Amino acid sequence: EPEVTQTPSHQVTQMGQEVILRCVPISNHLYFYWYRQILGQKVEFLVSFYNNEISEKSEIFDDQFSVERPDGSNFTLKIRSTKLEDSAMYFCASNRGGEQYFGPGTRLTVT
Amino acid sequence: LAKTTQPISMDSYEGQEVNITCSHNNIATNDYITWYQQFPSQGPRFIIQGYKTKVTNEVASLFIPADRKSSTLSLPRVSLSDTAVYYCLVGEGFTGGGNKLTFGTGTQLKVEL
Repeated sequence: EPEVTQTPSHQVTQMGQEVILRCVPISNHLYFYWYRQILGQKVEFLVSFYNNEISEKSEIFDDQFSVERPDGSNFTLKIRSTKLEDSAMYFCASNRGGEQYFGPGTRLTVT
Repeated sequence: LAKTTQPISMDSYEGQEVNITCSHNNIATNDYITWYQQFPSQGPRFIIQGYKTKVTNEVASLFIPADRKSSTLSLPRVSLSDTAVYYCLVGEGFTGGGNKLTFGTGTQLKVEL
């Protein structure tokens, strides 16, 4: 069964550093998403992406965040200058109109 | 966006049927009800979606009364591996892509021997 993959599984970074989280969505999917989940809290929507552009973003997705689909397979989330409060699980998801398929997540720890 | 209310936690034993009810009093006419499951340190996984009456798949059943102000997810004969958080979501269904999912706090189901 096709699945969404994410790398790395765990990323530790220092405050102020840039991080790039990578995702490989399911190959024939058209819509891509990033969500995050702070430990013990809800899963929160960050951004959706379709046809090479952002279709919707939340208040969380401020100027320090950006997304890119650099080639036909990868979908990345960049955080330019990480803060302590960015520590969370980041989930990538994709679909082509049906249910969203989530990846296993990247645990980001900002120290 | 319709607000959902579900129990914070439920306990069950292996082999029992578990019913998790979700209230969504201000559901809109074009809203669907979708349930996701999340195991610790994993991404959410789609379980089932419905609009009205009853929907059944190989994993669960979803019961939706005529007024659609609530819904019940039914898990037959649970096992230890069904221990997870279950989320009820209300919003646009699969009519189009690109629809963000809005998660609540979910119901933590704990299954014991």
